[in-house]
Amino acid sequence: DAKTTQPTSMDCAEGRAANLPCNHSTISGNEYVYWYRQIHSQGPQYIIHGLKNNETNEMASLIITEDRKSSTLILPHATLRDTAVYYCIVRITGFQKLVFGTGTRLLVSP
Amino acid sequence: NAGVMQNPRHLVRRRGQEARLRCSPMKGHSHVYWYRQLPEEGLKFMVYLQKENIIDESGMPKERFSAEFPKEGPSILRIQQVVRGDSAAYFCASSPPAGISSYEQYFGPGTRLTVT
Repeated sequence: DAKTTQPTSMDCAEGRAANLPCNHSTISGNEYVYWYRQIHSQGPQYIIHGLKNNETNEMASLIITEDRKSSTLILPHATLRDTAVYYCIVRITGFQKLVFGTGTRLLVSP
Repeated sequence: NAGVMQNPRHLVRRRGQEARLRCSPMKGHSHVYWYRQLPEEGLKFMVYLQKENIIDESGMPKERFSAEFPKEGPSILRIQQVVRGDSAAYFCASSPPAGISSYEQYFGPGTRLTVT
């Protein structure tokens, strides 16, 4: 079962930052936070992951609280193509299965 | 570098027939995962394979479903005697060998199976 809690849906205006929260209060010390997204019926796409430090790549930034019980995925300038379901997943890095919850459905509007 | 390839993209089978879904991992990847997404539901893990070995099949239905990843060729997910409840999108993902990256999985476009 998924060990994360995310809002069911969020809206964001095009060009604005999208901040997607995730609660993972039972995360253990060796578990990473991964983010994936699924754009309408396509295969899920890896976005970013982190352990305890904030991370940034070309797609997004990941902010993890100091106690590691929650995190926020930030899309700095959302576009219409960012409309998707975003999944926050915790797992021990390694060849482990991904356990998808219900995710957050992000709608980016003009 | 080509991504994960799956074929066919769409497959229609009648009840009782067999379905074979193929997955070619990304170049250099030796780990393959299969996931299923039922209509209007989330993705569920089915099986994790390395070359010639099944590592974790905890998500595979006990009957009619099997998977393989031979030494040569693509990974195959086989569903025997399909029923309407097998209609779903089946996604394959691959990841590189240990030490190459942080084990993120890269997904293919999926095979949409429709059982009539």
